[in-house]
Amino acid sequence: KQEVTQIPAALSVPEGENLVLNCSFTDSAIYNLQWFRQDPGKGLTSLLLIQSSQREQTSGRLNASLDKSSGRSTLYIAASQPGDSATYLCAVTPSGSRLTFGEGTQLTVNP
Amino acid sequence: GAVVSQHPSRVICKSGTSVKIECRSLDFQATTMFWYRQFPKQSLMLMATSNEGSKATYEQGVEKDKFLINHASLTLSTLTVTSAHPEDSSFYICSARNRMNTEAFFGQGTRLTVV
Repeated sequence: KQEVTQIPAALSVPEGENLVLNCSFTDSAIYNLQWFRQDPGKGLTSLLLIQSSQREQTSGRLNASLDKSSGRSTLYIAASQPGDSATYLCAVTPSGSRLTFGEGTQLTVNP
Repeated sequence: GAVVSQHPSRVICKSGTSVKIECRSLDFQATTMFWYRQFPKQSLMLMATSNEGSKATYEQGVEKDKFLINHASLTLSTLTVTSAHPEDSSFYICSARNRMNTEAFFGQGTRLTVV
């Protein structure tokens, strides 16, 4: 059974700091991995999608990497801003179409 | 990215009544839709997977007679919470994938409160 773990569970940083969120998964046979952002009381916004054949994806200040063999992904956020405060979730798609989610990292960026 | 619209965003209902939540893919055809439930400060729990034109597949422990799912078209899936009880109060989120089955897109969520 695929299990996804995110570390840390919560993170508080001052504005402007670069930071890394970690995601690990137990079964490397994945189809893709997605990083999402969730604001309180809201749905999920897709940030980055990495296909199993890819090593990384970038969008603006966000960079996500994928190492399938070690079962790890990282989300790098450069020059963090208070507006980045949210819960960040990673999810993997094993075979088939369903997603398996981690518990999330709650990020607070302080002005 | 693609847009998934979920309605209503908030609903309050009385115990014993039924509530219907709609999930629409606005600019793509969603062959597969997913319904999740999320408790406070927890991650998403998959309730069921629905494929257009066929019966939904429910996760273990989810009552299919209580949580009725219909996926009648490639752009619409509905979740009906029947005979709602206060313990059904939660945040429900839908998700959809397109025919290529790559990226998953999520609705805005529905906050259900049963009083």
